[in-house]
Amino acid sequence: DAKTTQPNSMESNEEEPVHLPCNHSTISGTDYIHWYRQLPSQGPEYVIHGLTSNVNNRMASLAIAEDRKSSTLILHRATLRDAAVYYCILGDNNNDMRFGAGTRLTVKP
Amino acid sequence: DAGITQSPRHKVTETGTPVTLRCHQTENHRYMYWYRQDPGHGLRLIHYSYGVKDTDKGEVSDGYSVSRSKTEDFLLTLESATSSQTSVYFCAISAGQFNTEAFFGQGTRLTVV
Repeated sequence: DAKTTQPNSMESNEEEPVHLPCNHSTISGTDYIHWYRQLPSQGPEYVIHGLTSNVNNRMASLAIAEDRKSSTLILHRATLRDAAVYYCILGDNNNDMRFGAGTRLTVKP
Repeated sequence: DAGITQSPRHKVTETGTPVTLRCHQTENHRYMYWYRQDPGHGLRLIHYSYGVKDTDKGEVSDGYSVSRSKTEDFLLTLESATSSQTSVYFCAISAGQFNTEAFFGQGTRLTVV
């Protein structure tokens, strides 16, 4: 019961922006929205997280809907190295960080 | 890179034998987690710890036990390994409760024959 819903897969062209959506309609007021990604044969890697406001870091941007029931991870210019499974997770006060199936991003040259 | 080490990285064991996987951190983070990852299931939480000797079950805890006698080590034990426990196991650490990033180890590939 991951509490988030993501598309199974998405495709992008290299050097184009990518918008990865996540629905979390049952989010509570104190739940943080986290994004991780997992490259082949590696452990998951932190990408970004936020609570209410949009967030930017060197890897990506996180756009959070005003009602917080959805969010979008934005990769501004996809590279081949961005091909991975992207997980959207709610960090809640149960502190058990449950992952869903994620979105498999394919980047085409 | 966060200081988190899993050992062993690979292990083959026989059904019915006990197995212990170790997660060691040098970050002094309070929270530690054990996940397993299987094709078609993504990452599933087995157990987690929120401090020394403080642990709790995740969604797939049956057949597993954990111990955390000191901050830096979190052990996962399969008391009697079964073929269904063949999987890749990941350890993770985090400093805060739910508003900080977590760091993952490189994983342990366990095969039970």
